[in-house]
Amino acid sequence: ETGVTQSPTHLIKTRGQQVTLRCSSQSGHNTVSWYQQALGQGPQFIFQYYREEENGRGNFPPRFSGLQFPNYSSELNVNALELDDSALYLCASSSGVGSPLHFGNGTRLTVT
Amino acid sequence: GENVEQHPSTLSVQEGDSAVIKCTYSDSASNYFPWYKQELGKRPQLIIDIRSNVGEKKDQRIAVTLNKTAKHFSLHITETQPEDSAVYFCAARGGANNLFFGTGTRLTVIP
Repeated sequence: ETGVTQSPTHLIKTRGQQVTLRCSSQSGHNTVSWYQQALGQGPQFIFQYYREEENGRGNFPPRFSGLQFPNYSSELNVNALELDDSALYLCASSSGVGSPLHFGNGTRLTVT
Repeated sequence: GENVEQHPSTLSVQEGDSAVIKCTYSDSASNYFPWYKQELGKRPQLIIDIRSNVGEKKDQRIAVTLNKTAKHFSLHITETQPEDSAVYFCAARGGANNLFFGTGTRLTVIP
């Protein structure tokens, strides 16, 4: 069984640029959630995708957007990057909307 | 929305002693409470969870208790080992299906 995989592992961007982060869900999982984890903090919910539709969104501005594909993999896009966007971005998949989340190793984004 | 508070922020125990981490939540509709362990530079790993229809759950050296009336839940680790050293996060999930996390507890087990 393959776990949740994310790419890239690290990324450095400049303020104002755009970034795309990718996630492959665990085998058999149809729900993907994205979280932002700032240094020393708990993960903060960005949004969730279920069967290619957004199924809930946290308190993040519209420049954070996402996609889920027919194979349940997902992308997180962030436009107009700000310094405060520097964080670990975690993808988590589950076998259903109310099932336990299993996290990937995350993408460490640094905005300079 | 849901607000999860977690205490203490740091905890040091001697190897073999017990460790207890406590969390409170604000939304009475929350019905699922997982605990995650995160080692430095690694992913959060689900170690135990409990649903609101259960008061206690145990898995070997780890147990979680839930008091719905008081809206608090706790993680208990017995016979701690150095490999238990990590940051532990509690979380709560309600009707919105997203998890709200606490701010984490850094546990250090001293050999």
